[in-house]
Amino acid sequence: EAQVTQNPRYLITVTGKKLTVTCSQNMNHEYMSWYRQDPGLGLRQIYYSMNVEVTDKGDVPEGYKVSRKEKRNFPLILESPSPNQTSLYFCASSSTAWNEQYFGPGTRLTVT
Amino acid sequence: GENVEQHPSTLSVQEGDSAVIKCTYSDSASNYFPWYKQELGKRPQLIIDIRSNVGEKKDQRIAVTLNKTAKHFSLHITETQPEDSAVYFCASIGGDSGYSTLTFGKGTMLLVSP
Repeated sequence: EAQVTQNPRYLITVTGKKLTVTCSQNMNHEYMSWYRQDPGLGLRQIYYSMNVEVTDKGDVPEGYKVSRKEKRNFPLILESPSPNQTSLYFCASSSTAWNEQYFGPGTRLTVT
Repeated sequence: GENVEQHPSTLSVQEGDSAVIKCTYSDSASNYFPWYKQELGKRPQLIIDIRSNVGEKKDQRIAVTLNKTAKHFSLHITETQPEDSAVYFCASIGGDSGYSTLTFGKGTMLLVSP
């Protein structure tokens, strides 16, 4: 089954404790991206990757890192989480930026 | 960068009525305009998209129109049903990003009452 998976689905953590949210897709897509969703603000892109070893900043990259060592995986790293990073995070993949984005199930992160 | 504005933020209709959601974009080089539907507690899913070389596209009860001169595009849902209740997001992909980033509107919550 074609899918995008994210782990964990829910995470409560404390300020400053490094965390990683994993994202994996099995559709051989070249384009992958991370979004955060906040009430009233819609979906905002954090980082994207057009291919292996190629990553670039989206609209709200501050406080986040990503890596793309393999085509199927695109982890999101918060080196020192802060409460303003409390949000719902979605990973997405597609063949290109201008094709259908397939979203993962979301990760709800709470930073206290 | 690209700026996408979406209106209205909420829309309530009676079952069977039509619903229209409008978006405007800032980058005249934008060439791809998808619409996503997000049901409560679920992930966004593409429902229809349009590219800049066409003015209208239809898929059963939904349609999207694009006016490149005015830089706006709209989602039209006819004969609405309760299962159409969801948040709808428009998006565009701008030329100033090298056509590599998708910018979303802030969403429209559509409520269809039986």
